[in-house]
Amino acid sequence: RKEVEQDPGPFNVPEGATVAFNCTYSNSASQSFFWYRQDCRKEPKLLMSVYSSGNEDGRFTAQLNRASQYISLLIRDSKLSDSATYLCVVKAGNMLTFGGGTRLMVKP
Amino acid sequence: GAVVSQHPSWVICKSGTSVKIECRSLDFQATTMFWYRQFPKQSLMLMATSNEGSKATYEQGVEKDKFLINHASLTLSTLTVTSAHPEDSSFYICSAPTKGRPQGYEQYFGPGTRLTVT
Repeated sequence: RKEVEQDPGPFNVPEGATVAFNCTYSNSASQSFFWYRQDCRKEPKLLMSVYSSGNEDGRFTAQLNRASQYISLLIRDSKLSDSATYLCVVKAGNMLTFGGGTRLMVKP
Repeated sequence: GAVVSQHPSWVICKSGTSVKIECRSLDFQATTMFWYRQFPKQSLMLMATSNEGSKATYEQGVEKDKFLINHASLTLSTLTVTSAHPEDSSFYICSAPTKGRPQGYEQYFGPGTRLTVT
């Protein structure tokens, strides 16, 4: 079983749609959680941290359920520019473990 | 602006040659740096942890004699792919942690080096 699991997609959605990604992790000692965005042939860039209380940044909402070891990302009002691969990332100590990524394609 | 740089950004080499990739932290010191590899349509896989002043720590399945890591200073780590083969063709990315917000250490990623071995 992978340490961090994601549905690889792709998720094909029209502009303006709401889309949700899920992620599960196996290491119960994980301390911090993130969503990164990676564009084709580029390095990952931090999208947002994920807090137990849930947090929102504009059109993006992240949720964490420690008991279920489950993380989610909701994107509202999708834009064409949201097309990318979204990586669920879990940190234990100083090390990051990446999920396989979920590919999102937003179409006009 | 970028806080971690990598050089070169793109390299093509012949099978059997060695390639050195540099990772530099800009304006901050990094006693630890991480080297990742990403094959097409796959996620980043940690190869090794580079430690300034001591030996690198390699992940299971990564050959330390093939992927030589040298953390020469507090701002520079190098990864040398020795006797490269076509199956080593990949996207190599380094990262460096630095103190960040309440969640702890932020990780800054370099722009990556795309290696193609012919």
